[in-house]
Amino acid sequence: EIVLTQSPATLSLSPGERATLSCRASQSVSVYLAWYQQKPGQAPRLLIYHASNRATGIPARFSGSGSGTDFTLTVSSLEPEDFAVYYCQQRSNWLSFGGGTKVEIK
Amino acid sequence: QVQLQESGPGLVKTSETLSLTCTVSGGSISNHYWSWIRQPPGKGLEWIGYIYYSGSTKYNPSLKSRVTISVDTSKNQFSLKLRSVTPADTAVYYCATLPTTKDAFDIWGQGTMVTVSS
Repeated sequence: EIVLTQSPATLSLSPGERATLSCRASQSVSVYLAWYQQKPGQAPRLLIYHASNRATGIPARFSGSGSGTDFTLTVSSLEPEDFAVYYCQQRSNWLSFGGGTKVEIK
Repeated sequence: QVQLQESGPGLVKTSETLSLTCTVSGGSISNHYWSWIRQPPGKGLEWIGYIYYSGSTKYNPSLKSRVTISVDTSKNQFSLKLRSVTPADTAVYYCATLPTTKDAFDIWGQGTMVTVSS
C-alpha cells in the first residue's frame, strides 16, 4: 500500500500570497498523482491530474509539479475562494489519498 | 455534461448492510470506470473501490471482505453494498467517475451522509 503524506497540515496565509503544498509518497507513483480542493459541505473538485495537468476550468494560478515520490501544488496568488482543504491522490498502486492540507486565512 | 446522484438510506443499523446507488445522467455508463469514495465526519477521503462498465472490479484491500460494487447498464446506475457495518462506517459516501485518461476522480456526486447506529 502506498502512503501519501501531506505537509503542512495547516497553512495560514493572506490573500495574494503564494501557497506551496507538499505531498510525499512512500514509494514511487511516477506521475500518477492528482490534487483536489474541497470546501465545507461540498464534494472535492479535481484540480490537477498526472502531476502537472490542470483539469478543465481550473485557473492558471494553480500548478502542480513533481514525479516519483515528491510532489508540489502551488497557488501563485491566493484568491478568497482558494481557502479550503487540499488532498493529493495516487493511482500507481491501488488508489489512496493523502491526509489533506488546510489552507486558512491568516 | 455527466452528472452523478447518490441515493439510499441515511441510517443503517449496526451489523446490517449499507446499500447505495449512483445514477448517471447526461451520458452513458458504458466504456468508463466508476468509483465509490467515503469521508467520515471531519476526516479525510477513503477510496472504497471501482467498477468498469463490463463488471470488473477493484476494491480497497482494507474493505475488500465487506464490499461489493455492481453495475446496471440498462438503468445507467452502479451500486455499493457494504456488509456488517459498524459506527466506524458512518461517513459521507460519494460516487465519482475515474477516466483512464486522467487516473483521477473527475466528476463527483454531491455525496450522501450515511449514519450507522444501533
